[in-house]
Amino acid sequence: QITLEESGPTLVKPTQTLTLTCTFSGFSLRTNGVGVGWVRQPPGKALEWLALIYWDDDKRYSPSLRSRLTIARDTSKNQVVLTVTNVDPVDTATYYCAHRPPGGSDYFDFWGQGTLVTVSA
Amino acid sequence: SYELTQPVSVSVALGQTARIPCGGDHIGSKNVYWYQQKPGQAPLLVIQRDTNRPSGIPERFSGSKSEYTATLTISGAQAGDEADYYCQVWDSSTVIFGGGTILTVL
Repeated sequence: QITLEESGPTLVKPTQTLTLTCTFSGFSLRTNGVGVGWVRQPPGKALEWLALIYWDDDKRYSPSLRSRLTIARDTSKNQVVLTVTNVDPVDTATYYCAHRPPGGSDYFDFWGQGTLVTVSA
Repeated sequence: SYELTQPVSVSVALGQTARIPCGGDHIGSKNVYWYQQKPGQAPLLVIQRDTNRPSGIPERFSGSKSEYTATLTISGAQAGDEADYYCQVWDSSTVIFGGGTILTVL
């Protein structure tokens, strides 16, 4: 059974760096084709893809946020970490991590419950 | 950059068929995925690779696609199907979501 859980601060000040951790179970990020992605959703708005890391440590980022995002994995801990630098109130959102199954294209078949992050002074 | 266009809202009478379109340039050449999201919950994958239902998704959910439009169809819509629905594709190593459609079951 695949599960994912996001953790991190609920409140961050503008200009700070946000660090979120996704802890997962039921799969290995060493398995060929597997990935873990991050998606966020501002209150009342649509889903927005942020980043994805693959079994081979390849990484992909949203073009609009690339300069502020870093995704990394710790396979020994079954964790994926996302950092967002220089946050702004517009970064206030629920942040989800999700499992990318093996296959030719990127999509997400299992999601964490999400964690709400508020950016405010 | 690639964009997916969805209507803001769709309404359907209880028990009738709801169709939610998702438009995109040459979407016919891409794999399309659909997610259902109920208030306060994480998205749930309901259609993968255009037409396939993941395990546990009711048969009333189906997907189809033409050259410029993908469509999620919910046959015999139930009150519990009220939710936001998002289409998604993968293009140029980027995951792209549509703007979402609010489905109201009347």
